[in-house]
Amino acid sequence: GIQVEQSPPDLILQEGANSTLRCNFSDSVNNLQWFHQNPWGQLINLFYIPSGTKQNGRLSATTVATERYSLLYISSSQTTDSGVYFCAVTTGGFKTIFGAGTRLFVKA
Amino acid sequence: DAGVIQSPRHEVTEMGQEVTLRCKPISGHNSLFWYRQTMMRGLELLIYFNNNVPIDDSGMPEDRFSAKMPNASFSTLKIQPSEPRDSAVYFCASSFGTGVEAFFGQGTRLTVV
Repeated sequence: GIQVEQSPPDLILQEGANSTLRCNFSDSVNNLQWFHQNPWGQLINLFYIPSGTKQNGRLSATTVATERYSLLYISSSQTTDSGVYFCAVTTGGFKTIFGAGTRLFVKA
Repeated sequence: DAGVIQSPRHEVTEMGQEVTLRCKPISGHNSLFWYRQTMMRGLELLIYFNNNVPIDDSGMPEDRFSAKMPNASFSTLKIQPSEPRDSAVYFCASSFGTGVEAFFGQGTRLTVV
């Protein structure tokens, strides 16, 4: 089946720093989402981005479907950005596979 | 809309007992998913419904697990009998159609002792 790899697995940032999270996938996908799981366990939709670039405040994402990767950019990080960031891809119409996540800690 | 609503938020039960988790999808959504999250295996898709019909239950770990969707606004995931290795966070998600943006509930943290 399709493989979804996220990097880095762990990331520690000083508040105010920028970062780039990466998601590689091994096959064609129908769609791709980025989620933030906060310290209370809630999964929050960040982007639905099967291709192209989107921006939402300090966050932006780019998916290059032909090269099978997506990037999530976090600028001017804040302590509230801490948590786990998941990339999830959908294949064959509905099968959604999650990556293992990038665990981010932003220090004050 | 209140989003996907799951209940209970936390459940502690003894091994061998029956556990029922509940989910109310977002109104108008016709696809519903049950996921399980553990440290070892991450987020796994257990079962998927489209228009109340189970489409793929290949992720259900064993026969002790069953899921139903009697109508468009309600689904249950049942474990009978429960075992300590079933301890996990169980998420329900819904979407309008397939291969589109899915929205998750807050999850049910299940502990089987």
